[in-house]
Amino acid sequence: DAKTTQPTSMDCAEGRAANLPCNHSTISGNEYVYWYRQIHSQGPQYIIHGLKNNETNEMASLIITEDRKSSTLILPHATLRDTAVYYCIVRVFGGAQKLVFGQGTRLTINP
Amino acid sequence: GAGVSQSPRYKVTKRGQDVALRCDPISGHVSLYWYRQALGQGPEFLTYFNYEAQQDKSGLPNDRFSAERPEGSISTLTIQRTEQRDSAMYRCASSRTTVIRSTDTQYFGPGTRLTVL
Repeated sequence: DAKTTQPTSMDCAEGRAANLPCNHSTISGNEYVYWYRQIHSQGPQYIIHGLKNNETNEMASLIITEDRKSSTLILPHATLRDTAVYYCIVRVFGGAQKLVFGQGTRLTINP
Repeated sequence: GAGVSQSPRYKVTKRGQDVALRCDPISGHVSLYWYRQALGQGPEFLTYFNYEAQQDKSGLPNDRFSAERPEGSISTLTIQRTEQRDSAMYRCASSRTTVIRSTDTQYFGPGTRLTVL
């Protein structure tokens, strides 16, 4: 599985957009980018995924660069409940089904 | 069921004792995964099943760890002769299909906090 690099921590003001970057420079053509988050001591929660096109759902938007070497998760209007550790994961297609979590980014939303 | 459930939620045991951790996946989910999470770290893969077949156990740290899913539903992770370094949060997840697809979301349970004294 390709390795991802994320900032250790970030802060964002409540109501603002939170932009979380992820580098995955060794991603291969059949690997998808997934984002999960973990709020406090709860289990990880799926947010969004994408291959090469930008994606949006009710939780977030995912912007993947054209060369696919990096991506950005966008929480458009962050709330205090979005405070969590956010994990960017690249997943092999057709290979093992496990998720390989890195250190993630600890996002703190400030009132 | 409504979600993945795990029991017990907390387990305190003495070094050298065996423990069994249970996972009840979402009804109808074919795939079941076990992860271990140390404090301040991301979850670390241990093993996973499709139906009752253990597909990958490469993450099990040593032969004291084993897992089974005999009827393709509930799974048990067993740790024999526990050691203090086994203390961690053990998380179970399940997903709907066996096919590797981009939409194969894993749903995680609340975890079992294991403390080995």
